Amino acid sequence: QLVLTQSPSASASLGASVKLTCTLSSEHSTYAIAWHQQQPEKGPRYLMRVDSDGSHSRGGGIPDRFSGSSSGAERYLTISSLQSEDEADYYCQTWGTGIRVFGGGTKLTVL
Amino acid sequence: EVQLVESGGALVQPGRSLRLSCAVSGFTFSGYEMNWVRQAPGKGPEWVAYISTTGNNIYYADSVKGRFTISRDNAKNSLYLQMNSLRVVDTAVYYCAKDKGGGVFDYWGQGTLVTVSS
Repeated sequence: QLVLTQSPSASASLGASVKLTCTLSSEHSTYAIAWHQQQPEKGPRYLMRVDSDGSHSRGGGIPDRFSGSSSGAERYLTISSLQSEDEADYYCQTWGTGIRVFGGGTKLTVL
Repeated sequence: EVQLVESGGALVQPGRSLRLSCAVSGFTFSGYEMNWVRQAPGKGPEWVAYISTTGNNIYYADSVKGRFTISRDNAKNSLYLQMNSLRVVDTAVYYCAKDKGGGVFDYWGQGTLVTVSS
């Protein structure tokens, strides 16, 4: 079963960096994923795609403070120079034939 | 500018039906796969349904299979979700989402609220 696992919460200080993790089910460890940001009271926004080789491609208008990487079944989203508007929920998403799957999300608090 | 605008959300009683629409602009609608995604209050997104560019391939989440029908009208640049036999657990904000290709959702609408309650 295709499953994505995320930690429920994370926090980091204004101006610092944070690395969020999304773990694929072991039998799907080579899958690519997408990261989406959802600010309070808003709809989700696509941030980037992250492939198993660590390459990533950002969506239109996404600043380069947002980057992606990979290691094994883990896919990461790193946000540097944290700003107050980065406080949001972050969801990873993947896909297979006939199915799309979301992780449970990580709530990021900017201190 | 890519825009996806959902409409049709409402308060409905359990067992009733509702049809959602998503009007798109800013891209060649007929060239892209589309999806419906929902988000229950306080929860994360849940994928609901997928439709290919021509409508020949359609997939549903198990939770809605047999009750919901996704469709599209490429001439009208519109995506639809017919929801029958609605349940309280179907209460959510429903989003349409453009598929960049290969399963990546690269644009989302602002959502429309469906509340199922007696």
